[in-house]
Amino acid sequence: QKEVEQDPGPLSVPEGAIVSLNCTYSNSAFQYFMWYRQYSRKGPELLMYTYSSGNKEDGRFTAQVDKSSKYISLFIRDSQPSDSATYLCAMSRYGNNRLAFGKGNQVVVIP
Amino acid sequence: NAGVTQTPKFRVLKTGQSMTLLCAQDMNHEYMYWYRQDPGMGLRLIHYSVGEGTTAKGEVPDGYNVSRLKKQNFLLGLESAAPSQTSVYFCASRRDGGVVAEQYFGPGTRLTVT
Repeated sequence: QKEVEQDPGPLSVPEGAIVSLNCTYSNSAFQYFMWYRQYSRKGPELLMYTYSSGNKEDGRFTAQVDKSSKYISLFIRDSQPSDSATYLCAMSRYGNNRLAFGKGNQVVVIP
Repeated sequence: NAGVTQTPKFRVLKTGQSMTLLCAQDMNHEYMYWYRQDPGMGLRLIHYSVGEGTTAKGEVPDGYNVSRLKKQNFLLGLESAAPSQTSVYFCASRRDGGVVAEQYFGPGTRLTVT
């Protein structure tokens, strides 16, 4: 079983819709949970991260972590064409240098 | 402030050739990382460095070597390239005291080995 599972999609939504992305994981030691955004032919950029469980909101983006289910989610409200990108989830143990990445989920927001 | 830069942007190698990928950062970051990204595989850590003069193996280190002679530079070497090393290579860096999540990535090097 892979440490991090992420459905690669692609996911197409109309502009203004809510985008829902998720990842599951198997390592219960993970404490940091991140979402990176990667535009085509660019490097990933950190969107947001949470430590341990709970929700975190940043503008139109909301990250949720459910450690009991080993499940994390990213929601994008009022999606815009500029949100079209690949979204990568990643996780790490506290004090560990290694990030375990999901495969990435391609999102296309149609104007 | 250029952030993280990578040289070259593209390269085509023949099997058995060698090359060095250069990563440079101007943010005075202590930690630097080399990843490869393959379709259907996600990002995988090759090697990393926690400071000048140090290196450590990541998830997929075989066939690669690294050096960190200067704090701002992290070199990735392929001594004898193989088609399995065809990939997009990303370098990243982060500051000491920051969380592991806060990595800044370069634009990538697209390498094809024929």
